[in-house]
Parts: sequence; structure tokens; C-alpha cells
Amino acid sequence: NAGVTQTPKFQVLKTGQSMTLQCAQDMNHNSMYWYRQDPGMGLRLIYYSASEGTTDKGEVPNGYNVSRLNKREFSLRLESAAPSQTSVYFCASSTGSGTYNSPLHFGNGTRLTVT
Amino acid sequence: AQSVTQPDIHITVSEGASLELRCNYSYGATPYLFWYVQSPGQGLQLLLKYFSGDTLVQGIKGFEAEFKRSQSSFNLRKPSVHWSDAAEYFCAVGGNTGFQKLVFGTGTRLLVSP
Repeated sequence: NAGVTQTPKFQVLKTGQSMTLQCAQDMNHNSMYWYRQDPGMGLRLIYYSASEGTTDKGEVPNGYNVSRLNKREFSLRLESAAPSQTSVYFCASSTGSGTYNSPLHFGNGTRLTVT
Repeated sequence: AQSVTQPDIHITVSEGASLELRCNYSYGATPYLFWYVQSPGQGLQLLLKYFSGDTLVQGIKGFEAEFKRSQSSFNLRKPSVHWSDAAEYFCAVGGNTGFQKLVFGTGTRLLVSP
């Protein structure tokens, strides 16, 4: 039972390069999320997808795009990477609307460095 | 807007001693409250959650948390800390209507000394 799988685990980019972070879940969850984690700032929501076919902005969406490819997969794209996007990125999923009965399940993260 | 404050960035506790991690929240209605733990190099794992009922909730790994509405607090406790509890702990608050997203605190890093 893999849960939430993120690839790659590590990535180094030069400023201006683009890349896509991949996320897949095998728990048949409806909702998926992308967070970034920075020291002293906790986790901040970038984008989320409440259900297949929908995506919405979170707290810090600028500089990112997302695609909910199907129910299992939710990718995060950086079109032109900037040093401010150096962070650890976490994908998460949950069963559906509301948060109490559908806690978040997290992947192990992607550590991204932009030079 | 909802928010979460974890006032302690780092806490060091001796192995076998008791632990209390503080969490204060701001939310306009009845909140859902959560504690997550993050071990090094890992994602976050849910420790426990609260919505209503008994204000003392039990979680995994021997942790418990107490909801105090009058103080807007949801502190995490453990009577006897083990070295394996060294990790970062996050408090989070969410809503109970519609599709609600969690807001996380900035985390408290727990160090356990021998």
C-alpha cells in the first residue's frame, strides 16, 4: 500500500528553468493538495483539487500551476523557477469535503533548490 | 480568517519526562483541531483530532490533547517522552462547513535528551 507517492525526491534547478512535480495516490481519495514547507513558516497551501476536474488556489499560488490529470494524479508545475521557490513540497490527499472525517495523507516530500 | 499559533519553536525534554506542546487557534465557528507529527525526511502523520464531545482526546503513540474553548487552546501532552518522539509537531485548524482547508501552525521541534 503505497499511499501518496511523490517524484522526484530531490531536484536542483537554475533560475528560469521549468519542471513538474508529480504526485499519485492509490487510496481512491477525491481531494488532493500541494503544500510548501519553509523554515519558520509551517505548511502553506499552494493549490488544491477538491475533486477530479476541479482545482483552486490556496494561500500561495503565484508562480505555480497545477493539473488534476485523473483521480489518482495531481501535478504541480513551475514554469520559470525562482530562488524564492526553494522549499520542500508536499502532496497530500483526503477522502472528500470537510476535514474531520477525512484527514490528510501526506507524501514524503520533494526537496527543491533553485540556484 | 482562521489561524494557528505555536509559540515554541524548539523544546528540549529529557527522556522519561512529561511533555506539553502549546497551540492556540483563532476561528470564528466551531473548529476542527488536529495535531500532526513529522519525522525527519518524512511527510506528516496525523496524531489526533478533535471536533466535539469529550475535550480530552487520545491519539496514537500515547499522545493526548485537551481542547479549552475559553483559552482557544489545544495543547498536546504525553506523560513520558521516548527518544523516538523527537520530531516536529504541527497543530492545525479547519472548519466544519463545506469544503474546508486546514491552516497549519509553524511547528514545534521536539528534542529529546538522554
